[in-house]
Amino acid sequence: SQQGEEDPQALSIQEGENATMNCSYKTSINNLQWYRQNSGRGLVHLILIRSNEREKHSGRLRVTLDTSKKSSSLLITASRAADTASYFCATSRGDSNYQLIWGAGTKLIIKP
Amino acid sequence: KAGVTQTPRYLIKTRGQQVTLSCSPISGHRSVSWYQQTPGQGLQFLFEYFSETQRNKGNFPGRFSGRQFSNSRSEMNVSTLELGDSALYLCASSLEVAEDGYTFGSGTRLTVV
Repeated sequence: SQQGEEDPQALSIQEGENATMNCSYKTSINNLQWYRQNSGRGLVHLILIRSNEREKHSGRLRVTLDTSKKSSSLLITASRAADTASYFCATSRGDSNYQLIWGAGTKLIIKP
Repeated sequence: KAGVTQTPRYLIKTRGQQVTLSCSPISGHRSVSWYQQTPGQGLQFLFEYFSETQRNKGNFPGRFSGRQFSNSRSEMNVSTLELGDSALYLCASSLEVAEDGYTFGSGTRLTVV
């Protein structure tokens, strides 16, 4: 079952612009994680934000979490062609540490 | 350090056959999870193993099974393959629980004809 919904489903921007993706979820969480997947390959863990954190940075990535709205956003600044990929949010819930619940993903295309 | 290794990378099987996929987790990671990814259903959780025990199972038929060995390596098996089993099968390892964050393998692309 999918708890998260990413918005938008697809995003196409020019290289150098910023890209923002949103994720909403339904139940209370322990943490929220963002992953990147390049065309049909395995997923790469990008960043993890805990339920008691509001913002986190890692290089060109900035993640925010609003537990009152049950939503998170991923901002990629100064996008590059190599950022072209699908981005997924996944949540870890208190009642089950043994699996993550995934959103459907946002497909990001960076145009040169 | 070596990443998560999945073998084989590609597989073509005929309906009715069975298949076994293998996953070697990152050294020190004791939890191994399996996911099925399809364009229509997205990422679907299959099962998770820790210390050779299945701790959690997704909503898949009994044709899907798995196991974990004492060295944390894991295998999943699909019997009586159906066309709908065509998918990318992803293995992910974590230290102890999914909350720790996953490291994924590159996946096995299974095509059932």
